[in-house]
Amino acid sequence: GDSVTQMEGPVTLSEEAFLTINCTYTATGYPSLFWYVQYPGEGLQLLLKATKADDKGSNKGFEATYRKETTSFHLEKGSVQVSDSAVYFCALSDYKLSFGAGTTVTVRA
Amino acid sequence: NAGVTQTPKFQVLKTGQSMTLQCAQDMNHNSMYWYRQDPGMGLRLIYYSASEGTTDKGEVPNGYNVSRLNKREFSLRLESAAPSQTSVYFCASSETVMAGPYEQYFGPGTRLTVT
Repeated sequence: GDSVTQMEGPVTLSEEAFLTINCTYTATGYPSLFWYVQYPGEGLQLLLKATKADDKGSNKGFEATYRKETTSFHLEKGSVQVSDSAVYFCALSDYKLSFGAGTTVTVRA
Repeated sequence: NAGVTQTPKFQVLKTGQSMTLQCAQDMNHNSMYWYRQDPGMGLRLIYYSASEGTTDKGEVPNGYNVSRLNKREFSLRLESAAPSQTSVYFCASSETVMAGPYEQYFGPGTRLTVT
């Protein structure tokens, strides 16, 4: 079945550092791809999405490009802030969302 | 517009006790979902309801039952709680369950501990 694999954490960075979280997927069709973010004590919220190959999703300085040739959807941000500390989930949509295990990111001032 | 609301926020049960987690959405969404979140395992789908009047099993349905009470409300029941059901439970909703760019909106979660 469809599945998502994302890099294990935790990841600890200093403010203004570059962040990348790897995500690869396995799917039989052409799923939509998502990154969700979960701030401490909260539910998940959509960060960005891409619906077809070569689409780039972006939001709050984060970007991810749907790469069909490498079945990847890596999340990047050029300069992180303390407020970006959260758990990040890669997901793909079939009739439901299939989530990766989540990557905990901590940004230190 | 409250989005997706869940009650209670926290709950402690003894093994064998029963309880119902409540979920409601005010976005007129057709589809609703229950997930559990465990460390290192992401979110796993317990049950979902594609539309009012229908429910289907997800990845981990054992030990749970659900009711789609109406279009707004979708409840999750634990008939006889077990320590393995200690988890954080999230309800979510979306316009439709069909594959595609349909964002799911999540509630704030219920943290359940079974002793």
